[in-house]
Amino acid sequence: GNSVTQMEGPVTLSEEAFLTINCTYTATGYPSLFWYVQYPGEGLQLLLKATKADDKGSNKGFEATYRKETTSFHLEKGSVQVSDSAVYFCADTLNAGGTSYGKLTFGQGTILTVHP
Amino acid sequence: DAMVIQNPRYQVTQFGKPVTLSCSQTLNHNVMYWYQQKSSQAPKLLFHYYDKDFNNEADTPDNFQSRRPNTSFCFLDIRSPGLGDAAMYLCATSPTSYNEQFFGPGTRLTVL
Repeated sequence: GNSVTQMEGPVTLSEEAFLTINCTYTATGYPSLFWYVQYPGEGLQLLLKATKADDKGSNKGFEATYRKETTSFHLEKGSVQVSDSAVYFCADTLNAGGTSYGKLTFGQGTILTVHP
Repeated sequence: DAMVIQNPRYQVTQFGKPVTLSCSQTLNHNVMYWYQQKSSQAPKLLFHYYDKDFNNEADTPDNFQSRRPNTSFCFLDIRSPGLGDAAMYLCATSPTSYNEQFFGPGTRLTVL
């Protein structure tokens, strides 16, 4: 079945450091790809998305590029802030038809802590 | 603002005492989902509705039920909560298949 794999955490960085969180998927075809962020005690928020190969999603200084050749969607930010401390989930969804209505497959999540 | 609302944000119940969590949406989305999430793990899908069409995940315990009386509202009923059911419960919506999901803030359930 489809799976999404994220780099293991937790990740601890100093403010203004460069961030990369790796994400790879196994789905065949052309899934849509997402990064969600979850701040402590809150629900998930969509951070960015890409729906076709070579698309770049970006938001709040975060970027990720849909790489079909490497089945990857790595999250990057050039300069992290303390307020970026959260859990980050990579996910994909396939239009499989039938009753598989856009079911998300999540990675295991990566805890990011940014220190001043 | 259009949004997904969950009530209550925090729910405390006793072992074996039925509890209902609610979700409402102003997005007019066809699909509504219920997830269970434990301590920073990935959310686990319990079931979802496409309009009134109910879809249960194969490994969702019978203890968990759901109702969707109309497009805007969806309920999660836990008939006899056990200590292992303590978790964050997340509701999400999506306009149709193949789209991103919009999550509510979650309800934190504590079972005493």
